[in-house]
Amino acid sequence: AQTVTQSQPEMSVQEAETVTLSCTYDTSESDYYLFWYKQPPSRQMILVIRQEAYKQQNATENRFSVNFQKAAKSFSLKISDSQLGDAAMYFCASRYRNSGGSNYKLTFGKGTLLTVNP
Amino acid sequence: NAGVTQTPKFRILKIGQSMTLQCTQDMNHNYMYWYRQDPGMGLKLIYYSVGAGITDKGEVPNGYNVSRSTTEDFPLRLELAAPSQTSVYFCASSYRGGTNTGELFFGEGSRLTVL
Repeated sequence: AQTVTQSQPEMSVQEAETVTLSCTYDTSESDYYLFWYKQPPSRQMILVIRQEAYKQQNATENRFSVNFQKAAKSFSLKISDSQLGDAAMYFCASRYRNSGGSNYKLTFGKGTLLTVNP
Repeated sequence: NAGVTQTPKFRILKIGQSMTLQCTQDMNHNYMYWYRQDPGMGLKLIYYSVGAGITDKGEVPNGYNVSRSTTEDFPLRLELAAPSQTSVYFCASSYRGGTNTGELFFGEGSRLTVL
């Protein structure tokens, strides 16, 4: 079974500053995906960034990057040059990569609410 | 370019009533899912399907039923609604295949209140 833990229920950052959201996970598998999803007040779940566990290089998407520490089972999200539009709930999630019915389930953390102060 | 479409977006039910949340996707995805989101609890998997005619329970299936008669549609039925089913429900889908990136595509959510 997979578990995902986000230890920061809420975070805040000043506009244009950098913030890091923490995530740890537990899995018995060696091949899996990790994700960060953003949920703004509109409720829509938006994929922010994806990391394949077999890749050592940290994923980057514009102002969003991750620090993937496989041995420590840690997957933090760094948001640089924070913007007001980044304010949202952020969910860390994991999913097995191998085929098989239940292996396609996405397991979520409880989320971190990010506030961006002008 | 609709993606995953859920209806209705909002609904209020009385205790004991039944209803169906509709979900359809136009991306020819094999896998479909229903999650519920409660405040401070993240998203919990209710049911999922790996293809037409195949469904299985997730973490919190009690009080719900699903069917998957076509690749596109995956309705969620609530029988005898209870206040504990007040939540936001998300339908999602994903692709199985060589180009599978692991990503789930979500609908916009349905807010259900049971009074």
